[in-house]
Formats: sequence, C-alpha cells, structure tokens
Amino acid sequence: DAGITQSPRHKVTETGTPVTLRCHQTENHRYMYWYRQDPGHGLRLIHYSYGVKDTDKGEVSDGYSVSRSKTEDFLLTLESATSSQTSVYFCAISESGQGNYGYTFGSGTRLTVV
Amino acid sequence: DAKTTQPPSMDCAEGRAANLPCNHSTISGNEYVYWYRQIHSQGPQYIIHGLKNNETNEMASLIITEDRKSSTLILPHATLRDTAVYYCIVSISGTYKYIFGTGTRLKVLA
Repeated sequence: DAGITQSPRHKVTETGTPVTLRCHQTENHRYMYWYRQDPGHGLRLIHYSYGVKDTDKGEVSDGYSVSRSKTEDFLLTLESATSSQTSVYFCAISESGQGNYGYTFGSGTRLTVV
Repeated sequence: DAKTTQPPSMDCAEGRAANLPCNHSTISGNEYVYWYRQIHSQGPQYIIHGLKNNETNEMASLIITEDRKSSTLILPHATLRDTAVYYCIVSISGTYKYIFGTGTRLKVLA
C-alpha cells in the first residue's frame, strides 16, 4: 500500500543468524505493528509500537525484538533465527490504537530460515 | 477480550450479493467491529468498521445486530476479484492490538 513499505520483500537466511526486517511509513501514523502469518494460524501479533521508543509485546513475541527510534521506522529483529520463524511478516500502521481507525498493511516480507 | 467466530468458507455466484456472517457474542460496549480481506498473499486490506449503526462505503455494507452480538458484511455485487479471505475483528478495549482469527475464505464463482 502507498505510504508503507517493507524491506526486504524476500529473504533466505541460515539458522542462528540475526535478521532485521524494516517497516517504513510516510503517513506519520503513531501506531505500528508487526504480525506474522502462517498456514492455519491467520495473522498473529508479534510486537507493536504506540510511539517513538514505546513498544510492547504481542501474542508471539518470544525470539523477536523491535525498535522504533523514529516515527517512520519500525524494525523487527530476530536475534538468532530458527526454522520456526519461517513465515510471512506483515507490518501495519494506524492513526489510532483503538476505536475508529483501521489498519493499513504493507505487502509483506517472506522469510525462510534454512 | 471479545473473540469472533466465522464460517471457514463460503461460495457466492458472480453478480450476486455475498453475505458474510460473524459472531462476536462477548463484545463489550466500546469495542468496534472491523472487516478486512486478504487477497492471495497480499497484505490484508481494510474494508469497513462500525460500532452500533449499520455502515456503508464504496466497498461494502456492514450490518450489526441491535444486541451487537453478531454482524454481517455484505458485498452487494460480488465479482471474481472479491475472492479472498475475509476477517472479522473486534477491537480490544484498552489496548492497541487486534486479534485476527482464521477468517472466511470466500470464493466467487463465474
């Protein structure tokens, strides 16, 4: 979607290596989210941010860390990638954390850990 | 936290209305109902949301029952491009996160 980009789009990495995924927005939205999507599980929230340097855990945060040093960037880091982290990762943004605004999602990053 | 229940799959003939149901019987008074769809492997796309009243936009209509325990998303004239997985989500009060279920896989048939 316009206003939100994820990089890289595809990545293959080896078990045990660190990996960082980037989400960049040009909408100046306060809230940003990282989800992962796996067959049979729908989308599951990993971490989210409600402002610069303000982050919190989601449902499946183990093995992941995040950072948000600027409004426009939200980074997701896998400190030591495992095969169970092979997934499609989606970033989302919203103006408000609850109530009356929807999310805009990025196009996703397909990560394969071998 | 309110949860939602949706049928896993539905078919609809092209040009007909697609009515996708969602049950959210534990919804609380200040929680909104959201609908998203995901076409193939793209990122989910926002469709519509509502609190109490029925809502309509250029994509769809949302009908929420008076007791707010269920809702229906209506695509008035389904096309082949509406084939997707449709997610009904209830916003979680007091937090900033939505929980996605596994959705309804809608197949529009020619």
